[in-house]
Amino acid sequence: DSGVTQTPKHLITATGQRVTLRCSPRSGDLSVYWYQQSLDQGLQFLIQYYNGEERAKGNILERFSAQQFPDLHSELNLSSLELGDSALYFCASSATSWESDTQYFGPGTRLTVL
Amino acid sequence: ELKVEQNPLFLSMQEGKNYTIYCNYSTTSDRLYWYRQDPGKSLESLFVLLSNGAVKQEGRLMASLDTKARLSTLHITAAVHDLSATYFCAVDVTSGSRLTFGEGTQLTVNP
Repeated sequence: DSGVTQTPKHLITATGQRVTLRCSPRSGDLSVYWYQQSLDQGLQFLIQYYNGEERAKGNILERFSAQQFPDLHSELNLSSLELGDSALYFCASSATSWESDTQYFGPGTRLTVL
Repeated sequence: ELKVEQNPLFLSMQEGKNYTIYCNYSTTSDRLYWYRQDPGKSLESLFVLLSNGAVKQEGRLMASLDTKARLSTLHITAAVHDLSATYFCAVDVTSGSRLTFGEGTQLTVNP
């Protein structure tokens, strides 16, 4: 158990809908990262927040957005969902954003878009 | 654009044998990570390699980093069934933020 929690574990929805994925980092960690894992794209970095501020952006679609709240939990919002958005979404956290920090991954949310 | 390539992508080996997984990357970096993922599970951190020549060992796994060759290796010694998993290397070139992952190496250790 990494100490990172994600809810829900599974999510099934329809195209065009909007969903919110939630992540609670390890106690004391300030950085939160979101990744998408799919069969065709592999593991891809989406976005990073550090202490409430956006720190880095990766291959995140405009239909997706995220935020980190004052209590450091984070939410990833996915809207106008398409079939291709079906994937496993991981949240990871680290103590700081220093290069030596290990990122600890949560159990993931499996999103299925029908 | 940073590219991270692993080989082999699939590896089937017998218990007790040794083998090496290779991770090549295209841009200068001195931060490389190895993760393990069991089917349907999350990623578990194995090693963090932070400098040229870094070598780390944990049990039957040993990882090394050659930043000049842009190459990391994950060596498996006397494999056991419990090592069956997918192994990912990941490179970080942006001061502790985004990780770029390799495709993963799916390892199966047969009894």
